[in-house]
Amino acid sequence: SQKIEQNSEALNIQEGKTATLTCNYTNYSPAYLQWYRQDPGRGPVFLLLIRENEKEKRKERLKVTFDTTLKQSLFHITASQPADSATYLCAPMDSNYQLIWGAGTKLIIKP
Amino acid sequence: DAGITQSPRHKVTETGTPVTLRCHQTENHRYMYWYRQDPGHGLRLIHYSYGVKDTDKGEVSDGYSVSRSKTEDFLLTLESATSSQTSVYFCAISEWTGKNSYEQYFGPGTRLTVT
Repeated sequence: SQKIEQNSEALNIQEGKTATLTCNYTNYSPAYLQWYRQDPGRGPVFLLLIRENEKEKRKERLKVTFDTTLKQSLFHITASQPADSATYLCAPMDSNYQLIWGAGTKLIIKP
Repeated sequence: DAGITQSPRHKVTETGTPVTLRCHQTENHRYMYWYRQDPGHGLRLIHYSYGVKDTDKGEVSDGYSVSRSKTEDFLLTLESATSSQTSVYFCAISEWTGKNSYEQYFGPGTRLTVT
């Protein structure tokens, strides 16, 4: 079955540093992969989408990479700020255009 | 924020009772989804809709039914609630934009407790 793996342990990063989150997937080859942010008690919010033919996508301080050979996506936040603290969800899209969701990685940015 | 509301926001119910959750959108998006989110799990798709009266099952559809009689409303019904259905339920909407294919917008969630 399709499986998405994100680091279940919280990631603690010092303010100003780059945070890197990992998403690994198995048993399928998504054409698209999306990243979302979720704050406590709220629904996820879309951040970025990357296509299989794109190696990298950037939006302000965010950068996403997509390695279809390794079956992995990396999500980077540069110059991190305490306001970036949240849970980040990886969601590759399957062949039926449905999103398959990872459990998320909690990111904590310390001042 | 996308115009998506969910009602109720919180509900406590007893095992065996029927429960209906409502999702309402003002964006006129074609696709609507119901997910549940539990600790340690990713969002899991319960049912989705691709148009009025057009629905299909997701990964965890057992014990749930849905209806969509209008573009703006998508109802999730638990026919006979069980404790395993205690969860946070999210509604989401999407539309094909070309640029952000099927980017999903989420409602605020409904916290359901079955005692």
